[in-house]
Formats: sequence, C-alpha cells, structure tokens
Amino acid sequence: EDQVTQSPEALRLQEGESSSLNCSYTVSGLRGLFWYRQDPGKGPEFLFTLYSAGEEKEKERLKATLTKKESFLHITAPKPEDSATYLCAVQASGTGANNLFFGTGTRLTVIP
Amino acid sequence: DSGVTQTPKHLITATGQRVTLRCSPRSGDLSVYWYQQSLDQGLQFLIQYYNGEERAKGNILERFSAQQFPDLHSELNLSSLELGDSALYFCASSTAPTGELFFGEGSRLTVL
Repeated sequence: EDQVTQSPEALRLQEGESSSLNCSYTVSGLRGLFWYRQDPGKGPEFLFTLYSAGEEKEKERLKATLTKKESFLHITAPKPEDSATYLCAVQASGTGANNLFFGTGTRLTVIP
Repeated sequence: DSGVTQTPKHLITATGQRVTLRCSPRSGDLSVYWYQQSLDQGLQFLIQYYNGEERAKGNILERFSAQQFPDLHSELNLSSLELGDSALYFCASSTAPTGELFFGEGSRLTVL
C-alpha cells in the first residue's frame, strides 16, 4: 500500500537556524513527489515537484531533494514568515490525482 | 489567491442533516478534486471530476456525493451527517492530471 510518512511532526527553529524536514515514502511506482505549504486556515499551496532520484529544486530559502526512498525539504536561514505546515505528497503510476497520497505534515514554527 | 473559490467558508449543522459545498475552479481548469482534512487523518482524497465526468474515487463515503456541472463548478453533497464528518473540505483544480493542484481556502464543517 502506498504510504507517506513525514518527520518530525513539529519543529521549532530560531530565526536563521537551518534544518531539514523529512518525507519517507513507499509507492508502487513513483510518478512524482510534491511539496506543499499550508498556512493555518488556508488551503495548501504548491511548492515543488520532483520526479526522479537525484533531482533538486530551489525556491528562496527552500530546497527540495529526492532519493529513491525519501525526500528532504531543507530550510536555510528561516524567517518567521516561513512558519507553516509543510506537506509532502506522492503520486503513483496511474492517471490523475486519485493517486496523490499526502503525509500528515510537519508543523514548522520559526521564532524571531 | 489560488483562483479557486469555495463556499461557504464555515458551516455549522446538526447530525442527520444534509449540506452542499460549492467550488468554482480556476479559469480554464477542467479537473476538480475534493479532499477532506481532519486533525487526525490529514488530507484524504475523496473524488475527482474531469470536464463533468467522474475520473477517480478515493475514500468517499456512500453518504457523500459530488458532481461537476457544464460550467465546471462542482458541488459536494454530504448527507446523514455524523459528528465525525466535522472537518475542513478542500476543493482543488488543475489543468492536467498532475500533482500540481491549486487549492481553495476550504469549507469548515462543524456537525453538532
């Protein structure tokens, strides 16, 4: 069965303290791995898509990487506005988002 | 602003009642997805429509149904409501069957 596990569940960082979030996945055939950001009371906002092991994507202070079993979201010198829940999702081989499995997320708090 | 509009934003109702949630996708998007997000289970895929036709089904209860109309807006109908149906219901849309979804701000349903 396809599965996505994110760790840690919650993370508190001081402003400027870099860290990484983990997303481990088990999927029959990976079509894509996605990172989303969700602010309280809002819908998830798309960040990155990774398709194959070794791929990296960057956006401002965020960098996402992918291996055959997990993905990392690296946050460099975070700011308070980076506080949010970060969701990882995998899409297995098939058609459409019926194969999109979300993890339960990592709740990041950046303290000024 | 993702361009996806959901109404109502908040809804409080009683057990046994029926409610309808409405979603207008981004202009030009043919696919609409419905997700349920509860505190203990994260984002769960319910159902997908593509250009008016059901494309994929997830863990959607028989008490729930959805449809997509010719103007591409979608409605999610929840009937015989139970306390456990209290959750955030998100609609998302996309231009293609990928994992790059654009989410609305959700409808928060509280069943008392």
